[in-house]
Amino acid sequence: KAGVTQTPRYLIKTRGQQVTLSCSPISGHRSVSWYQQTPGQGLQFLFEYFSETQRNKGNFPGRFSGRQFSNSRSEMNVSTLELGDSALYLCASSFRWGGTEAFFGQGTRLTVV
Amino acid sequence: DAKTTQPNSMESNEEEPVHLPCNHSTISGTDYIHWYRQLPSQGPEYVIHGLTSNVNNRMASLAIAEDRKSSTLILHRATLRDAAVYYCIPIIQGAQKLVFGQGTRLTINP
Repeated sequence: KAGVTQTPRYLIKTRGQQVTLSCSPISGHRSVSWYQQTPGQGLQFLFEYFSETQRNKGNFPGRFSGRQFSNSRSEMNVSTLELGDSALYLCASSFRWGGTEAFFGQGTRLTVV
Repeated sequence: DAKTTQPNSMESNEEEPVHLPCNHSTISGTDYIHWYRQLPSQGPEYVIHGLTSNVNNRMASLAIAEDRKSSTLILHRATLRDAAVYYCIPIIQGAQKLVFGQGTRLTINP
């Protein structure tokens, strides 16, 4: 079966702009979570959605937001981009709420200039 | 979230066993111990998990200390493809997130 698909793979944006990243989970998976990976901070949890509801949120400013659709696909949005938002953004899907065997996509590499 | 301590890096040779240690002394009684790895230019990949007893799967074995304060991931015959950063992650049952530490960067020599 198809894995977790993230689009786009690469993105270059200018400071102050906003960006939307997309994640399609594995078919049948209802939990989608997002992570940010930077060389300095490593992998950090952003938020998790299950059945269109945000269940958990990491310690990120309100500029970072997300949503999940009825088909479990998820998007995350970053507004007013800063240089420090340059990172690899990873999406992971799990079969059930609280399921912790997560399957990750290859990520979206965002560069803010 | 339970704290973990892993060596920053380890090195081994191809076709030899590798033992990757993790200390998680603040783990609670119901926290599962998960291991993930991240190969270069890829997202993390689930490896194995366990609660109290040792576990085996096609990728690796997980040995959990009797007091659950430490665990060891065992790769029985390392290949070049096993070169990755390995993360040990205690997870509260029902939690919705993974808390990644710095992990152990494993280098495999041909």
